[in-house]
Amino acid sequence: DQQVKQNSPSLSVQEGRISILNCDYTNSMFDYFLWYKKYPAEGPTFLISISSIKDKNEDGRFTVFLNKSAKHLSLHIVPSQPGDSAVYFCAATRGGSNYKLTFGKGTLLTVNP
Amino acid sequence: GAVVSQHPSWVICKSGTSVKIECRSLDFQATTMFWYRQFPKQSLMLMATSNEGSKATYEQGVEKDKFLINHASLTLSTLTVTSAHPEDSSFYICSQKGGSGYGYTFGSGTRLTVV
Repeated sequence: DQQVKQNSPSLSVQEGRISILNCDYTNSMFDYFLWYKKYPAEGPTFLISISSIKDKNEDGRFTVFLNKSAKHLSLHIVPSQPGDSAVYFCAATRGGSNYKLTFGKGTLLTVNP
Repeated sequence: GAVVSQHPSWVICKSGTSVKIECRSLDFQATTMFWYRQFPKQSLMLMATSNEGSKATYEQGVEKDKFLINHASLTLSTLTVTSAHPEDSSFYICSQKGGSGYGYTFGSGTRLTVV
């Protein structure tokens, strides 16, 4: 039972355009969500997070939107840059769970020059 | 921010041997370390949670006698894959509480290949 789902294995966008990566979750107990970026053979790097009490969090070119009723979140990257090309993982956690993260399968983003 | 140093970055071993992977907290005392495994094109799957000075908590389906975790100090946690088999070949990553993003910092990962 996959509690965090990233249904698009890959996404390709042109440089300068917006990249939208989607994530759905099934566990209503999740109250904190994170996005990580990962290059091959490296550990994930934190990008941005959002608490369930918010519906939007912005940090530079990255914005995360949370729709609790739909159990859906998305990561917007604008403008997209070739250096953004990587695998993006959505992760979720809930208080009291010893902070362990549940990850989606990831989406490979390719930004074409 | 917090830094986790993970070694080795890659290792090739023969079937039946044991391999130890180390994760060190360089500038943060980590009471909790998480160990993940990632198969190609799959998500990071939590294997176990280790707490300094106590026994690790393993996720369902993870053999604790095969994947030995030791967290003897606040700065060092180790994962030993015992009697490794080819199906254990994977990418292993540690993560500690502490640092940015609700307190998670990841090591750089270890690519284990068992031949």
